[in-house]
Amino acid sequence: AQSVAQPEDQVNVAEGNPLTVKCTYSVSGNPYLFWYVQYPNRGLQFLLKYITGDNLVKGSYGFEAEFNKSQTSFHLKKPSALVSDSALYFCAVRDGMEYGNKLVFGAGTILRVKS
Amino acid sequence: NAGVTQTPKFQVLKTGQSMTLQCAQDMNHNSMYWYRQDPGMGLRLIYYSASEGTTDKGEVPNGYNVSRLNKREFSLRLESAAPSQTSVYFCASRAPGVTEAFFGQGTRLTVV
Repeated sequence: AQSVAQPEDQVNVAEGNPLTVKCTYSVSGNPYLFWYVQYPNRGLQFLLKYITGDNLVKGSYGFEAEFNKSQTSFHLKKPSALVSDSALYFCAVRDGMEYGNKLVFGAGTILRVKS
Repeated sequence: NAGVTQTPKFQVLKTGQSMTLQCAQDMNHNSMYWYRQDPGMGLRLIYYSASEGTTDKGEVPNGYNVSRLNKREFSLRLESAAPSQTSVYFCASRAPGVTEAFFGQGTRLTVV
């Protein structure tokens, strides 16, 4: 069964500084990896995904994520944080070997960007 | 575009009452999901449906039932609500292939 770990409950960063939100995963087959963002009292919005190919994936709002197969990680990054990036971020994984399309999420990481 | 629509948005139940959370999507997606979101626990998968007529248990199915009524609708039923089911419930849907899921706005359920 697949699983996702987000080791940090909260990440604090100053506006203009680079940010990283960490995610590690476990699957039996090939991983399909996703990042979502949730603003207060809203549903989740898709940011980016990794399926195959280039290990650096670019997504919405200037975010990118780096897939590292040997470390089973898929960290979310942004070169220069904005106050408006403050939100709850979720990493999710699907197992390419598993039938049924199960999509499993991590516990989430609160990102706080201070001006 | 409506996307994924959940009703109701808010609900308060007494322990032992039953209710059904409704979810409908207008994107012709095959896969649909029900999650619950609790502080510090992220989104936990309750049930999912890979296609019309099929449903599978997720991580936390106990106390819930689902119905995939047709391709558009996927309902979640609480037969006898318990305070432990107080949560925010999200429905999501996804097109075939390795695609992202689209989420509804959530239903905030309180069981007293």
